[in-house]
Amino acid sequence: GDSVTQMEGPVTLSEEAFLTINCTYTATGYPSLFWYVQYPGEGLQLLLKATKADDKGSNKGFEATYRKETTSFHLEKGSVQVSDSAVYFCALSETYGQNFVFGPGTRLSVLP
Amino acid sequence: SQTIHQWPATLVQPVGSPLSLECTVEGTSNPNLYWYRQAAGRGLQLLFYSVGIGQISSEVPQNLSASRPQDRQFILSSKKLLLSDSGFYLCAWGRGGGTYEQYFGPGTRLTVT
Repeated sequence: GDSVTQMEGPVTLSEEAFLTINCTYTATGYPSLFWYVQYPGEGLQLLLKATKADDKGSNKGFEATYRKETTSFHLEKGSVQVSDSAVYFCALSETYGQNFVFGPGTRLSVLP
Repeated sequence: SQTIHQWPATLVQPVGSPLSLECTVEGTSNPNLYWYRQAAGRGLQLLFYSVGIGQISSEVPQNLSASRPQDRQFILSSKKLLLSDSGFYLCAWGRGGGTYEQYFGPGTRLTVT
């Protein structure tokens, strides 16, 4: 079945550092890919998405590129802020499926 | 615009008591609806999803049940709570199909004592 693998956390960075959170997937079809962010005590918010190979999703300084050849969708940000501290989830959805498959989440802590 | 509501926001219940969590969506019609559970420090576990009124699919056998009495209302229930039912319960809606994202509610924090 489909699956999503994320790098183990927690990830701790200093403010203004470069961020990469790795995400790789296994899918039987041609999925859409998503990154969600969850701030403490809140629900998940969609951060960005990409629906086909080589698409780049971007939002709030974050970006991720759909790489079909490496089945990856790594999240990057050039300069993180303390307010970016949260849990980040990578997810996929198959073209004709009803459900998402979420990765286990990666906790990011940004120190001032 | 679409919004999704969940209540209550927090709940503390004794073992063996019943449970009812409610989720409603505004601003869209015939959404797919989902219940997830998130245990402390863990990822998301899909519990139930629904593609229409009265249509419920269960992803894991457990102590919980779900119902969809109206198009934009999704209810999670239990007759007798277990300690292991503690967690953060998230409702989400989506349009279904690969390119469409899911939108999440604010969640309900359930503690079973």
